[in-house]
Amino acid sequence: AQRVTQPEKLLSVFKGAPVELKCNYSYSGSPELFWYVQYSRQRLQLLLRHISRESIKGFTADLNKGETSFHLKKPFAQEEDSAMYYCALSGPNSKLTFGKGITLSVRP
Amino acid sequence: DSGVTQTPKHLITATGQRVTLRCSPRSGDLSVYWYQQSLDQGLQFLIQYYNGEERAKGNILERFSAQQFPDLHSELNLSSLELGDSALYFCASSVATGHSTDTQYFGPGTRLTVL
Repeated sequence: AQRVTQPEKLLSVFKGAPVELKCNYSYSGSPELFWYVQYSRQRLQLLLRHISRESIKGFTADLNKGETSFHLKKPFAQEEDSAMYYCALSGPNSKLTFGKGITLSVRP
Repeated sequence: DSGVTQTPKHLITATGQRVTLRCSPRSGDLSVYWYQQSLDQGLQFLIQYYNGEERAKGNILERFSAQQFPDLHSELNLSSLELGDSALYFCASSVATGHSTDTQYFGPGTRLTVL
């Protein structure tokens, strides 16, 4: 069975502070991992995926198979980063298993 | 804008009733996925269709059913509604057959309230 765990529900930081949103997964195969973001009053949208190995809006995430983690990081948070973030794992047929999500609040 | 559309945006109904939620995928996308988002369960996969055929099932109740039509739009039918069915229902679409690397694009969701 595949499972995604986001241990924290809320992270509140000041603008300019580093951010790390934690994600751990459980999956017997080779995982495909994603981070989705939902800004206020907007739809869920893809932020980044581990196979792309790219940085989007200053965010990066590295897949650590040894620790079964895919933490999302940004060195300097901006107010516009405030949103709900979901870690997701893709299994057979692209079925996405989501974590419970974390609210990131960036204060000025 | 991802191009996935869902109607209606909001739906309020009573227990025991039946409703139909509609989803139009992005142009060119053949796969449609349905998800339920509730406060206690989070975002959960319900069912996937590819080019008109059911491809994968998740935690979908027997009271729920879905289909994908020849024009690729999809409908999620919820019957004998219970209070606990109140949730946000998302549709997503992707271009391909269901490779795990497919990117899914989400619609704005339909908020269902069962009174």
